[in-house]
Amino acid sequence: DGGITQSPKYLFRKEGQNVTLSCEQNLNHDAMYWYRQDPGQGLRLIYYSQIVNDFQKGDIAEGYSVSREKKESFPLTVTSAQKNPTAFYLCASSIVGHYGYTFGSGTRLTVV
Amino acid sequence: RKEVEQDPGPFNVPEGATVAFNCTYSNSASQSFFWYRQDCRKEPKLLMSVYSSGNEDGRFTAQLNRASQYISLLIRDSKLSDSATYLCVVLRGGADGLTFGKGTHLIIQP
Repeated sequence: DGGITQSPKYLFRKEGQNVTLSCEQNLNHDAMYWYRQDPGQGLRLIYYSQIVNDFQKGDIAEGYSVSREKKESFPLTVTSAQKNPTAFYLCASSIVGHYGYTFGSGTRLTVV
Repeated sequence: RKEVEQDPGPFNVPEGATVAFNCTYSNSASQSFFWYRQDCRKEPKLLMSVYSSGNEDGRFTAQLNRASQYISLLIRDSKLSDSATYLCVVLRGGADGLTFGKGTHLIIQP
């Protein structure tokens, strides 16, 4: 079955460390997105990509980095520059121009 | 004014009742509109798109009023399984995709 997989499900990070969240899809979608969700808050866009080797900053890109070397993969790195990284991170994909996003099951990142 | 505003609730509703949620959006150039459902600690899932003419999917009816920049979702004969957070979602028009509201929390009580 096609879908989008995020790993790990839970992640703990020490302050000052970089950490990379994985997102893989086998839906043949060109567009991929990273969102962050804080308790009681809506999803906020971090980065998005519509094609391999190209990506754009979203509303809250500071302290994050991404790469899109393969169509199937869009990993997100949370760097030490992100001052408040504890959150629920969601990856999504879609056909370009269509907006019924498919979401992964998310990664809960906690800074300890 | 925030891009997408929703009443956060919670809405506590008895099983079998009808419940309605509202949402307003600020960008008059917004092109497409959706309702997503998010269960506790899970990812959002598309519930339905919202069309200008209004649309219905079983017990769910969505309406759009472009003049008032207002979207609604009506749930009839509510079930316990309808308990979730309902996210109002708007397409801004650029390549950056969707803008999500904070959600309305619905609790259906037996």
